[in-house]
Amino acid sequence: GESVGLHLPTLSVQEGDNSIINCAYSNSASDYFIWYKQESGKGPQFIIDIRSNMDKRQGQRVTVLLNKTVKHLSLQIAATQPGDSAVYFCAENNSGTYKYIFGTGTRLKVLA
Amino acid sequence: EPEVTQTPSHQVTQMGQEVILRCVPISNHLYFYWYRQILGQKVEFLVSFYNNEISEKSEIFDDQFSVERPDGSNFTLKIRSTKLEDSAMYFCASSGSGGDYGYTFGSGTRLTVV
Repeated sequence: GESVGLHLPTLSVQEGDNSIINCAYSNSASDYFIWYKQESGKGPQFIIDIRSNMDKRQGQRVTVLLNKTVKHLSLQIAATQPGDSAVYFCAENNSGTYKYIFGTGTRLKVLA
Repeated sequence: EPEVTQTPSHQVTQMGQEVILRCVPISNHLYFYWYRQILGQKVEFLVSFYNNEISEKSEIFDDQFSVERPDGSNFTLKIRSTKLEDSAMYFCASSGSGGDYGYTFGSGTRLTVV
């Protein structure tokens, strides 16, 4: 599989600001997408999902946007808090398969 | 909140040795998965398991890997003869339905092959 080594893209935001994390997915047949949060030493944690028949979905403080034309997902976090500091992965699924394909991840650092 | 439990949290093994990584999925889930994450890299799919058989596997999941659900609660990943490049975090996950639904991941087992 594709390797990105030890250097993840990093987004640094001030506490209280909004964060936008982007992801390009690979398979135009993917029809279900999830954003996961991974804190150090822990497994990925579900944040929010979206199906391909939608272009926007909102949760508590988080919004996911899907642009199928350019195969792009974004995760918006409102009023970013120190507890939001983590690595964020998008993951895509084709409903004909059981597996998720994860993106490379973005490290979010929240500055006090 | 229900959790997926993995043991051990860290295992060190000699190259060429067999290891078994253990997972207890969420009790009413039917689909089980193993993923791995080499340090600093993407989370990669290894295998999915449903109805006591492998439903899908990746090219990483070669003949040295096997999975088993030996009883009603455990789900194991065996690596028959470990190599240095098997060093990674191994995550177990489970879900109540197939792929088009979010998984719950465990906290992982860090495997170090020396």
